[in-house]
Amino acid sequence: KQEVTQIPAALSVPEGENLVLNCSFTDSAIYNLQWFRQDPGKGLTSLLLIQSSQREQTSGRLNASLDKSSGRSTLYIAASQPGDSATYLCAVRPRSDSWGKLQFGAGTQVVVTP
Amino acid sequence: DGGITQSPKYLFRKEGQNVTLSCEQNLNHDAMYWYRQDPGQGLRLIYYSQIVNDFQKGDIAEGYSVSREKKESFPLTVTSAQKNPTAFYLCASSIDRGSNTGELFFGEGSRLTVL
Repeated sequence: KQEVTQIPAALSVPEGENLVLNCSFTDSAIYNLQWFRQDPGKGLTSLLLIQSSQREQTSGRLNASLDKSSGRSTLYIAASQPGDSATYLCAVRPRSDSWGKLQFGAGTQVVVTP
Repeated sequence: DGGITQSPKYLFRKEGQNVTLSCEQNLNHDAMYWYRQDPGQGLRLIYYSQIVNDFQKGDIAEGYSVSREKKESFPLTVTSAQKNPTAFYLCASSIDRGSNTGELFFGEGSRLTVL
């Protein structure tokens, strides 16, 4: 069974520093990997989706990389701002079941201090 | 604006009662999902539906029921058989058709508290 891990569980950085968030998965046979942001008491907002054939995706200050062979994805947030404070989750869609059953990590809670 | 609407946002239930959480989407997505989120844990899949009148159990379906009579709607009933129903419930949808990416979109969630 696919296991998805996000370490650390919490992270605090000063404003302006670059954020590096990690996501590890145990089975490299994936369909895609998606990064989300969740604010307290809210739903998840999709940030980036990387297909299994891609190595990275970029959107503004966000860049996500994917290395299937090592079972890792990294989300980079450049020049962090207090508004980036949130919980960031990654989710993997297994290739064996591309329709459902995404496996989620538990998330990394980020605090950006002014 | 297209999106996913969940209601109610907050719900209180007495033990022994069934409650139904609403999820409506106007994104014309085929697939819809229900997840449960507990503090410190990842999201866990309750049920998902790929097409109208068809749905499959997820990892924690016991004590829950769903229906998919319309493409836009996927209500979740939390029955009295669910042993620990207090949680944050999230509805999601995706296109999941042809060459589409399968990107998942979420509603704002419903928080259920059992008194």
